[in-house]
Amino acid sequence: QVLLQESGPGLVKPSQTLSLTCTVSGGSITSGGSYWSWIRQYPGKGLEWIGYVYYSGSTHYNPSLKSRITISVDTSENQFSLKLSSVTGADTAVYYCARLRSDYGDSFDIWGQGTMVTVSS
Amino acid sequence: QSALTQPASVSGSPGQSITISCTGTSSDIGAYNYVSWYQQHPGKAPKLMIYNVSNRASRVSNRFSGSTSGNTASLTISGLQAEDEADYYCSSYTSSSTWVFGGGTKLTVL
Repeated sequence: QVLLQESGPGLVKPSQTLSLTCTVSGGSITSGGSYWSWIRQYPGKGLEWIGYVYYSGSTHYNPSLKSRITISVDTSENQFSLKLSSVTGADTAVYYCARLRSDYGDSFDIWGQGTMVTVSS
Repeated sequence: QSALTQPASVSGSPGQSITISCTGTSSDIGAYNYVSWYQQHPGKAPKLMIYNVSNRASRVSNRFSGSTSGNTASLTISGLQAEDEADYYCSSYTSSSTWVFGGGTKLTVL
């Protein structure tokens, strides 16, 4: 079955750029109808959708974060990535990569295990 | 886009049924059938339980069911079991072409 695994630094300094990668295994990132997404969960539990990338490279971002985020895809490596610039303590969260399926009612049917990112000097 | 509104906690005894509500607006839950529900155990990733309002995800028990009425979605769990104790989140597609989540409901099995 398809598995997702996040990787990247667990500690980022304020004003720097947070960079995470999600590796897709057990299936192809070029699978039609799959939109590769990033979602974060704050320490207080709330979830926030960040954005997604399609294998073609087209993207769609949360307007509240749009000016600071870039999501890209590397089909040769079966990976997609998130860059979030100018981070502050408010960006401290568990970051999940997830698959959004259009044939599952636009729901997130597969999630990575999540990676905790702390923004602190 | 504001988060969907869920009760902070619900509880029930084994064998009983409980319902978790999720209130949105006419721009999300009231506009689309793209409501989904997720179960999250401590330290784990969320798991898709329900999609398209009422469709159970693969290998999800038929004790879980979903519905909507107006701007409110509901998740019902019947025949409560100890393993159902977890946090539950609702989500909806919105008219802004984004996805919004509820604040989460902690289910305690007494």
